[in-house]
Amino acid sequence: AQKITQTQPGMFVQEKEAVTLDCTYDTSDPSYGLFWYKQPSSGEMIFLIYQGSYDQQNATEGRYSLNFQKARKSANLVISASQLGDSAMYFCAMRDRSGGSYIPTFGRGTSLIVHP
Amino acid sequence: EAQVTQNPRYLITVTGKKLTVTCSQNMNHEYMSWYRQDPGLGLRQIYYSMNVEVTDKGDVPEGYKVSRKEKRNFPLILESPSPNQTSLYFCASTSQVLEGTDTQYFGPGTRLTVL
Repeated sequence: AQKITQTQPGMFVQEKEAVTLDCTYDTSDPSYGLFWYKQPSSGEMIFLIYQGSYDQQNATEGRYSLNFQKARKSANLVISASQLGDSAMYFCAMRDRSGGSYIPTFGRGTSLIVHP
Repeated sequence: EAQVTQNPRYLITVTGKKLTVTCSQNMNHEYMSWYRQDPGLGLRQIYYSMNVEVTDKGDVPEGYKVSRKEKRNFPLILESPSPNQTSLYFCASTSQVLEGTDTQYFGPGTRLTVL
């Protein structure tokens, strides 16, 4: 079974609008970390935001926020006021303790296109 | 500046010609790993290393080798490359092996084409 599921292969949003990228995860480990990365067309992986499983509040970093719903095992990325430069692939990832070490697992990604 | 470097950034080669992609980090991280990225499949882990002389297979290790003789370096070796290894490869490192909180630092990627 996939540990990280991103159900939206592609998303479109109008510039200046908010967009939510979905991510659900599966783990039985009570201690884990959730991450979002952005990959523009140039190819590099850019870290956006982190949420720890014990964090009480949702993480925020500028225009990015993580809507963490622990009981639903959901870690959606919210981008407010989308900009043209937000067009990219977005990957959700998790590190949990599989086999004694924190091995990261990535989702398959969501391609976001921001229209002017 | 904290960084992970990979070389080469782009490589076109032919089937069967051994190649090595180098990876180096300057952050004294214990944990390093290699991923390949293919369209629609996300990032899949090839090998990882929790410290010097300790390496383990990831999800897709077939056709690859790694070594970790020094903490900073983690080269990826393709002894006999095949066209199905055409992909975008990333090296990554992180500081803490037993904590889930640390962000992975990624290298810039190596785009490999095997003809």
